[in-house]
Amino acid sequence: DVKVTQSSRYLVKRTGEKVFLECVQDMDHENMFWYRQDPGLGLRLIYFSYDVKMKEKGDIPEGYSVSREKKERFSLILESASTNQTSMYLCASSLSPAYGYTFGSGTRLTVV
Amino acid sequence: DQQVKQNSPSLSVQEGRISILNCDYTNSMFDYFLWYKKYPAEGPTFLISISSIKDKNEDGRFTVFLNKSAKHLSLHIVPSQPGDSAVYFCAASARSGGSNYKLTFGKGTLLTVNP
Repeated sequence: DVKVTQSSRYLVKRTGEKVFLECVQDMDHENMFWYRQDPGLGLRLIYFSYDVKMKEKGDIPEGYSVSREKKERFSLILESASTNQTSMYLCASSLSPAYGYTFGSGTRLTVV
Repeated sequence: DQQVKQNSPSLSVQEGRISILNCDYTNSMFDYFLWYKKYPAEGPTFLISISSIKDKNEDGRFTVFLNKSAKHLSLHIVPSQPGDSAVYFCAASARSGGSNYKLTFGKGTLLTVNP
């Protein structure tokens, strides 16, 4: 089974801090994604990457950046954390939409 | 502009009865549809999918129906069990339409199955 591992389950950060969320997948998938989930808003795409060093903005990229230096690792960066970035962050990887996505367990980030 | 809509935020059913979760889409380029299930504090897990060349796909207690003319799909769970209580997300992709391999998700429906 494909495994997508997110480095932290729970994080608490202070406003203004730079925050790194790490995601690693073990099945050589080209495509990786970062979503956030908020009550009533569903899953919203922040950024995605379809190859190493390639990235594309999703629906809500403001306040975020990403890094993909290696195929298996996709990092989400909050340059200066704000309270409205408190959320559940989900990483996913995919061979193609025909095979769906495999999600990690999520990181619950609280910005205080 | 929401391309995948789940109009019911929540649904409550009795154990043993049928659960029907609905999803509508607006993009005619969508040709592949999936359902995901999500428990609190966990990532979504793939449940079942259907290609636009079919109108039904069945996997155990789960059946997905697709009505292309109405741009509507539904997930049937029979019989419903308390362990099915979760948020269910509908998702769609346009494999031939240059979607950059993205799935578009609905906002989810919280299913509660009462014992």
